[in-house]
Amino acid sequence: QSALTQPASVSGSPGQSITISCTGTSTDIGFYNYVSWYQQHPGKAPKLIIHDVRNRPSGVSNRFSGSKSGSTASLTISGLQAEDEADYYCSSYTTTSNLLFGGGTKLTVL
Amino acid sequence: QVQLQEAGPGLVKPSETLSLTCSVSGGSIRSGSYYWGWIRQPPGKGLEWIVSMFYSGGTYYNPSLQGRVTMSVDASNTQASLELTSVTAADTAVYFCASSSSEYSYRFWDYWGQGIPVTVSS
Repeated sequence: QSALTQPASVSGSPGQSITISCTGTSTDIGFYNYVSWYQQHPGKAPKLIIHDVRNRPSGVSNRFSGSKSGSTASLTISGLQAEDEADYYCSSYTTTSNLLFGGGTKLTVL
Repeated sequence: QVQLQEAGPGLVKPSETLSLTCSVSGGSIRSGSYYWGWIRQPPGKGLEWIVSMFYSGGTYYNPSLQGRVTMSVDASNTQASLELTSVTAADTAVYFCASSSSEYSYRFWDYWGQGIPVTVSS
């Protein structure tokens, strides 16, 4: 199974909103509501920011939100802040008990 | 609060076996409904799931690595291990130990170790 598809990079100015897409297939994103999103700063471990498409773990800012339509999931970050500059990865469980990650999206805050 | 710490050699020779351990504190591997696993990240690249394990016996592998990967838990239930055989330069990566509190599932990972870089080179 191939990795999920994410844009290589996105950018936005402080205060703006951005959306990162994550495209899969009918056997992963399109089948389960088991999409998660991770934020990774350079040299650090990934941090879970969204699970099960739209749920935020305790302590994660409500500026982060997730959604899904068909086989494409999306992460929206509103009110961009400098600290949001990081790499973002989507992930989905699959019908063959595999766990796929996207290739990652580098967010630049201008 | 679960805390994870990876340990192991930073350099492995091609064709040899990579062996890493993950020390767990703040919880026991054999308690609760947590899954435990390993995820890696080659230099400058994205994340790749390697393996997931539940203490009662369910172990799941990335199909692309199955056959070379073994995950186990020690008798003290505080340490999980990863073995990857016949390594090549393509196995050079930062290896993360992780755990999932997602109720008998590994669909997301909410606890991560800091990661340990491993280079495969002669």
